[in-house]
Amino acid sequence: EVQLVESGGGLVKPGRSLRLSCTASGFTFGDYAMSWFRQAPGKGLEWVGFIRSKGYGGTTEYAASVKGRFTISRDDSKSIVYLQMNSLKIEDTAVYYCARPKGRVVPATNDYWGQGTLVTVSS
Amino acid sequence: DIQMTQSPSSLSASVGDRVTITCRASQSISSYLNWYQQKPGKAPKLLIYVASDLQSGVSSRFSGSGSGTDFTLTISSLQPEDFATYYCQQSYTTPFTFGPGTKVDIK
Repeated sequence: EVQLVESGGGLVKPGRSLRLSCTASGFTFGDYAMSWFRQAPGKGLEWVGFIRSKGYGGTTEYAASVKGRFTISRDDSKSIVYLQMNSLKIEDTAVYYCARPKGRVVPATNDYWGQGTLVTVSS
Repeated sequence: DIQMTQSPSSLSASVGDRVTITCRASQSISSYLNWYQQKPGKAPKLLIYVASDLQSGVSSRFSGSGSGTDFTLTISSLQPEDFATYYCQQSYTTPFTFGPGTKVDIK
């Protein structure tokens, strides 16, 4: 059974950093790209970015709203994908979800999602 | 960026009703359109991908259609467990953008 479990959320002050983790199980993690999404309280869904599998270069893409501040990385030996969030802003407050795509290559369509972890940016 | 719009933003319906939600993209996305269902406090659930393919395990009362810029999600006979918010998402190009959602509640 595919499982994704996010951790690392919490309350953080503006300008500070936080790292989220997503621990995967039930599939060959290294074969898949992995994505992060977020949802501000009472708002819609927003794509944050993804990381390709090492077989496809392990490269990343990001939403413009987080580019230069957020970094996605992966540790295939531990089946974990990370979201390093720096220079956090109040508008980054959201539930953050990791997700696995249906296909191994293009992370555009995600059929497995974690339960989400809440990040609150406030002074 | 490709902008996604949905209509209506909310609707009230009864169990057994046929419900249709519309999604429009700001430019052609071929058939690269997904539909997700989300219930309060839960992660999104993939219902339909590439506009009309039913995700495994999803009830056949859900169906999708469309191509280019205009898409539709139809629930043939609304069930109590279908009361939720529905989002369309284009999978054509990054950034993968979502519509603002359609909340379906009980009349």
